[in-house]
Amino acid sequence: KNEVEQSPQNLTAQEGEFITINCSYSVGISALHWLQQHPGGGIVSLFMLSSGKKKHGRLIATINIQEKHSSLHITASHPRDSAVYICAAENRDDKIIFGKGTRLHILP
Amino acid sequence: KAGVTQTPRYLIKTRGQQVTLSCSPISGHRSVSWYQQTPGQGLQFLFEYFSETQRNKGNFPGRFSGRQFSNSRSEMNVSTLELGDSALYLCASSLLQGGGAEAFFGQGTRLTVV
Repeated sequence: KNEVEQSPQNLTAQEGEFITINCSYSVGISALHWLQQHPGGGIVSLFMLSSGKKKHGRLIATINIQEKHSSLHITASHPRDSAVYICAAENRDDKIIFGKGTRLHILP
Repeated sequence: KAGVTQTPRYLIKTRGQQVTLSCSPISGHRSVSWYQQTPGQGLQFLFEYFSETQRNKGNFPGRFSGRQFSNSRSEMNVSTLELGDSALYLCASSLLQGGGAEAFFGQGTRLTVV
């Protein structure tokens, strides 16, 4: 079992839908990261959080430390949101463990 | 403000050769981390450098090494290349070591070993 598990692996939705991507981890963490990777490889760091909730535009990330679970939400999804979303847990030794990613495809 | 620059963008090498990849961080960033991404294993942490010192290392063989220069630019080297080393190699820079600050990623170097 991977130390960081994401679900779903693939997600196709219609433009405008509310999207939720989940991440569960089994290690003690100092921070959890959500990354977005577009075709071609470029990665953008979306959020770094260690508690509670963060919001940036249409993106919301939450984390529940007790349940070792984080979610990434996208409101009013748009085709340009199509990308791979990666959850990464930073353990207490500052090592980062990545989930396998969720491939999101938003249809116009 | 220039982003993280990785060179070269694409590289083809043969088995047994060695390769050096370069990463120039955002100006002022002293932490550079390297990652390997393959279809089978996903993203994996290679190592982190801060102020010219390796601060953290992932579970990769000794063929993978790196260094950081006084201007924070970093290089990673892979010796005796194997087919399985074909991957996208990403570097990320950050103001602080560890996870203390947001990381900014480069576009990556796609290495193909034939």
